[in-house]
Amino acid sequence: AQSVTQLGSHVSVSEGALVLLRCNYSSSVPPYLFWYVQYPNQGLQLLLKYTSAATLVKGINGFEAEFKKSETSFHLTKPSAHMSDAAEYFCAVYTSGTYKYIFGTGTRLKV
Amino acid sequence: GAVVSQHPSRVICKSGTSVKIECRSLDFQATTMFWYRQFPKQSLMLMATSNEGSKATYEQGVEKDKFLINHASLTLSTLTVTSAHPEDSSFYICSAQLGGNTGELFFGEGSRLTVL
Repeated sequence: AQSVTQLGSHVSVSEGALVLLRCNYSSSVPPYLFWYVQYPNQGLQLLLKYTSAATLVKGINGFEAEFKKSETSFHLTKPSAHMSDAAEYFCAVYTSGTYKYIFGTGTRLKV
Repeated sequence: GAVVSQHPSRVICKSGTSVKIECRSLDFQATTMFWYRQFPKQSLMLMATSNEGSKATYEQGVEKDKFLINHASLTLSTLTVTSAHPEDSSFYICSAQLGGNTGELFFGEGSRLTVL
């Protein structure tokens, strides 16, 4: 069975500081992994995705994430936080066999 | 990128009435759409998978007679909350998958339902 764990429901950083949002997954088959961002009263927007190509994935707005199979992690980072980055971030795992996306509980980023 | 439009964005209704929410893929055909429910400060809960031309597949614990889903065309899926009650108040979000097994999800803007 698949699962996603996001460590830290709330993360607070100063503007210009490093952003690190943690995501660990569990999957019995190679997963596809995603990070989405949600602004208040809006749907989700894709930040980046890992689909078994390069392990370091670059996304929009300066975000990137590294897939580490040995650690079953897919942490999201950004070198320098901006006020506009304040939002809710969701990690998600998808495997083609299940045709379902499983979302983490979300991390609210405050800048 | 692909665009998914959801309407209405906000709706307020009285208890006992039914509310329909539309989800449209504007620039691509979506054979599969997903409906999620999101409680305040919580993650998305998958309610059902909507397949064009066939019955929706509901997740365990979701009442199919309460939440009617219709996917009559490749660009439109609807969610009808029947005989709504205050506990149905929530943020409902639809999404569509852009083809292929690794297709990412594109989300609608969400619909906030308030039942008085």
